[in-house]
Amino acid sequence: DAGVIQSPRHEVTEMGQEVTLRCKPISGHNSLFWYRQTMMRGLELLIYFNNNVPIDDSGMPEDRFSAKMPNASFSTLKIQPSEPRDSAVYFCASGMGGLHNEQFFGPGTRLTVL
Amino acid sequence: GIQVEQSPPDLILQEGANSTLRCNFSDSVNNLQWFHQNPWGQLINLFYIPSGTKQNGRLSATTVATERYSLLYISSSQTTDSGVYFCAVDNYGQNFVFGPGTRLSVLP
Repeated sequence: DAGVIQSPRHEVTEMGQEVTLRCKPISGHNSLFWYRQTMMRGLELLIYFNNNVPIDDSGMPEDRFSAKMPNASFSTLKIQPSEPRDSAVYFCASGMGGLHNEQFFGPGTRLTVL
Repeated sequence: GIQVEQSPPDLILQEGANSTLRCNFSDSVNNLQWFHQNPWGQLINLFYIPSGTKQNGRLSATTVATERYSLLYISSSQTTDSGVYFCAVDNYGQNFVFGPGTRLSVLP
């Protein structure tokens, strides 16, 4: 298996623009997680899905952030409008059975908002 | 919310040495995991260990839930063990909270 695939790997955009991050989980996994990592706040769980259904989005920072999982093989994290403080590395991970099992991480998307 | 502390913040070892990393948490938990982030940023989930002891090769972890701490043991360290080790917990449905990490450098 190719592992968790994230795209793009790097994104530079200007404040106010819409940003869409993409994730393809490992085939057969039924849980998908979005994380954010910054120097100031460390690692944070933003949202996770089980069987394509959002289970816990309490980590989503504000309404500018939205995540979807239209099918078992694809998820998006959208920021609209983006702000400089959204600059971070965003990781996607997948696994079986939610937070209480092993997670496999993608390489991350480094987002810079100017 | 639950607070997570990790110690030491930084650790430098010579290859072959053993080490113990500690994770303290402020409330009861039903989920505790250890992660390793290598120097290139890749994250790996090492252990799911809300209680008890697990071993995987040179790594082992013990969680004493009643005393609110977990330990990660690394034996015969190798340069590839370098990176940052995170623990993360969740408290019965509250958000999954990461500690600040322990940065480990293993010198050849």
